[in-house]
Amino acid sequence: NAGVTQTPKFRILKIGQSMTLQCTQDMNHNYMYWYRQDPGMGLKLIYYSVGAGITDKGEVPNGYNVSRSTTEDFPLRLELAAPSQTSVYFCASGRNQPQHFGDGTRLSIL
Amino acid sequence: DQQVKQNSPSLSVQEGRISILNCDYTNSMFDYFLWYKKYPAEGPTFLISISSIKDKNEDGRFTVFLNKSAKHLSLHIVPSQPGDSAVYFCAASAESSGAGSYQLTFGKGTKLSVIP
Repeated sequence: NAGVTQTPKFRILKIGQSMTLQCTQDMNHNYMYWYRQDPGMGLKLIYYSVGAGITDKGEVPNGYNVSRSTTEDFPLRLELAAPSQTSVYFCASGRNQPQHFGDGTRLSIL
Repeated sequence: DQQVKQNSPSLSVQEGRISILNCDYTNSMFDYFLWYKKYPAEGPTFLISISSIKDKNEDGRFTVFLNKSAKHLSLHIVPSQPGDSAVYFCAASAESSGAGSYQLTFGKGTKLSVIP
C-alpha cells in the first residue's frame, strides 16, 4: 500500500540550479497538490491539479512549475533555485480535499 | 494576515485525560474545516472534518466542534493516548466559493504531548 510517494527525501541545491521533485500516487485520485512548509508555519499551497492535463496556481506559485500528464504523477519543477525556496515540500492527493500526503522532500538551497 | 490561527503552540496532557486543541478563523467565507495530525519526518495525516452546516462531528476518540458565530473550532481527543503525541493542524476552505474550494488555509499547528 504505497499511497503517495515522493522522491527524493533530501536534496541540497546551489543557487540557480534546477530540479524536479517527483510525486506519484496509486489511489487513482483526481486531485493532487503541492505544499511547502517553512519552519514554524502551516502548509502553503503551491499548485494543485483536479485531473490529468489540468493544473492551477495556489497561494505561492512563483518560482515553480507543474505538469500532470497522467493521473498518477504530479512533478514539481524548480527552474532557478533561490534561498527562499529552502523548505519541506509535501505532495498530497485526495477525492477532493487533500487526504493522503507523502513523507516530504527536505530541500536546502545554498 | 493569518486567516486560520492556532494560538497555542504546544499542549501537554496526561494519558487518559481529554485533549482540547483550539482553532480560530477570520474569513467568514470558510465553510469546511479539517484537522490533520503530523508526526516528525512524516507527512500530515487527515483526521476529521466538519462542514459549516453541522456543529459537531465525531469519529471514535476524536470529536470536532464548530461555533460559527465565534469563528472557532476545537478538536477533542478522549481519552488521550501517548501515540496521539504529534503536531495537529487545523485547515479551512471556502467550498461554496467554487474556484477557491480546493485551497486549504492551514494554521501553524499545535504540538500535543501526551504524558504516560
